[in-house]
Amino acid sequence: SYELTQPPSVSVSPGQTARITCSGDSLPKQYAYWYQQRPGQAPVLVIYKDTERPSGIPERFSGSSSGTTVTLTISGVQAEDEADYYCQSADNSDTDVIFGGGTRLTVL
Amino acid sequence: QVQLVESGGGLAKPGGSLRLSCAASGFTFSDYYMSWIRQAPGKGLEWVSYISSGSSYTDYADSVKGRFTISRDNAKSSLYLQMNSLRAEDTAVYYCARQMESATPHWFDPWGQGTLVTVSS
Repeated sequence: SYELTQPPSVSVSPGQTARITCSGDSLPKQYAYWYQQRPGQAPVLVIYKDTERPSGIPERFSGSSSGTTVTLTISGVQAEDEADYYCQSADNSDTDVIFGGGTRLTVL
Repeated sequence: QVQLVESGGGLAKPGGSLRLSCAASGFTFSDYYMSWIRQAPGKGLEWVSYISSGSSYTDYADSVKGRFTISRDNAKSSLYLQMNSLRAEDTAVYYCARQMESATPHWFDPWGQGTLVTVSS
């Protein structure tokens, strides 16, 4: 079955740049989406269609795509960015929704 | 503002049933596909089901197919999930989410706060 692969954890100090990757064979042909989930809260969309940022999401959140990997970049990380981040996409056949396993971002 | 509020979660026995509801406000509910997505304790996100804006199309994850039924009442701006033959592995927080496109990939914004379903004897 199709999978999206994320690193389990990423750690950065405040003010640094965090990069969270998501890999999948269908990503060259399918858009990717990113969700932030703070502890005890519902997921929130932070990036859609690889690179677009919804209104209300800080400019320090950005997305990029290259081949089979998409990347969520958080520039100037703040303590409030500590959360789990999930990528989401689809495969090229019959799976319309698939989530990556999630990456826990720790702000040191 | 756009808001989704789930209810109906609780404790059910294996083999039992529960019906979840999601009340939508702040947008034209009948214009959007809607989905249920769940998260088992300490685990990642799993899409469960979607329904088209006019209820013509539904789809389910293989893990719930034949046991769960999604429905909606556009007049009441409400989404439902009837869960039958519940199993321990159905224990999760269930989120309803507005689906932003009918085309693949489906994506979701916003999500409700979730309702906890626990299946245990």
